[in-house]
Amino acid sequence: QSVLTQPPSASGTPGQRVTISCSGSSSNIGSNYVYWYQQLPGTAPKLLIYRNNQRPSGVPDRFSGSKSGTSASLAISGLRSEDEADYYCAAWDDSLSGQVFGGGTKLTVL
Amino acid sequence: QVQLQESGPGLVKPSQTLSLTCTVSGGSISSGSYYWSWIRQPAGKGLEWIGRIYTSGSTNYNPSLKSRVTISVDTSKNQFSLKLSSVTAADTAVYYCAHRSILTGYDYWGQGTLVTVSS
Repeated sequence: QSVLTQPPSASGTPGQRVTISCSGSSSNIGSNYVYWYQQLPGTAPKLLIYRNNQRPSGVPDRFSGSKSGTSASLAISGLRSEDEADYYCAAWDDSLSGQVFGGGTKLTVL
Repeated sequence: QVQLQESGPGLVKPSQTLSLTCTVSGGSISSGSYYWSWIRQPAGKGLEWIGRIYTSGSTNYNPSLKSRVTISVDTSKNQFSLKLSSVTAADTAVYYCAHRSILTGYDYWGQGTLVTVSS
């Protein structure tokens, strides 16, 4: 059972916009930044969004992040086949004094 | 560009200690405001944070693993290491080392190394 809650799966067709939610609590998302990671099959995770809504250089602006209260979401617009991957949210948890991850959402591009 | 590479035994017997090393290239492990971390992923499952060490040497560990984990740094070799004691089959996973910038999160990752706990 992960501290941060994500839907196990999401799907969309090419060109569509999809969102992935991440729910936490006051000790993690409510009081700290949220990060998003993309993990393509068989590879290490890659930083996608940092500090709630910032994109590292090289990440397309099709990817965007937002946070409100104790929840966050990742939006992917103009969905492409290469976006098919697992997506994880993460945040620091003050109560645990540790990094916590969501359980991951498997995105399928139909 | 920082690069990380995990190394260590791929097979560990139950009750023994798992030891992994992460070699850092493209930057000094002792400079800057960075965290050097270990994260694992059992097959088909999600990411689990194991712990981290700051450039100052201070550490934080996952509370569920804290009694068994030690993360240390060898600045002379530009490496940091993970030791996990009293392992069981539940510790079988791909282990990643990662670099965390205070500003941007886990921005560099190793390729990961599979460690299997089995007799």
